[in-house]
Amino acid sequence: SQKIEQNSEALNIQEGKTATLTCNYTNYSPAYLQWYRQDPGRGPVFLLLIRENEKEKRKERLKVTFDTTLKQSLFHITASQPADSATYLCARGSGYSTLTFGKGTMLLVSP
Amino acid sequence: DTGVSQDPRHKITKRGQNVTFRCDPISEHNRLYWYRQTLGQGPEFLTYFQNEAQLEKSRLLSDRFSAERPKGSFSTLEIQRTEQGDSAMYLCASSLTSRLEQFFGPGTRLTVL
Repeated sequence: SQKIEQNSEALNIQEGKTATLTCNYTNYSPAYLQWYRQDPGRGPVFLLLIRENEKEKRKERLKVTFDTTLKQSLFHITASQPADSATYLCARGSGYSTLTFGKGTMLLVSP
Repeated sequence: DTGVSQDPRHKITKRGQNVTFRCDPISEHNRLYWYRQTLGQGPEFLTYFQNEAQLEKSRLLSDRFSAERPKGSFSTLEIQRTEQGDSAMYLCASSLTSRLEQFFGPGTRLTVL
């Protein structure tokens, strides 16, 4: 089965530092990976999508990479703020149907 | 607010009862998805509609679960003879036909006693 693995331990960082979250996948490369943010008691919110043939994508303070050799995506938040504290979900997909999500990594940014 | 809405937000029921949840997607979105999420886990796909057609169902979806999208707009998810293991957050998402990103609703939290 196609799995997504994210570090289940919370990531604690200081405000202003860069947060880096890891997403590893098994078996063949998905056509794309998506990253979502989820706050407690709320639905996920889409952040970024990166396709298999793209190495890097950026949006404001966010950057995501896709390394098909390592079977890994890295998600970076630069100049992190306490408001960035949330759970970040990685999901793999192909086509327009299902997404397979990882368990998510909780990020805690302290002032 | 033109986002995805779900109703009810919380539902407490006794084991063996039937429950029905409603999802209203973003109006121009053709695709509608249902997911289930338990504590500490990511959302798990349940089923997916393109307009009124149910195109895919997860093997996780037992016979007690049924979903409909009768006019290609809102959708309902019914769980019959609820079990304690059905306790979870049920999330609905929608997307445009031409786009891959999904927009999620706030979820319905189900507690089965």
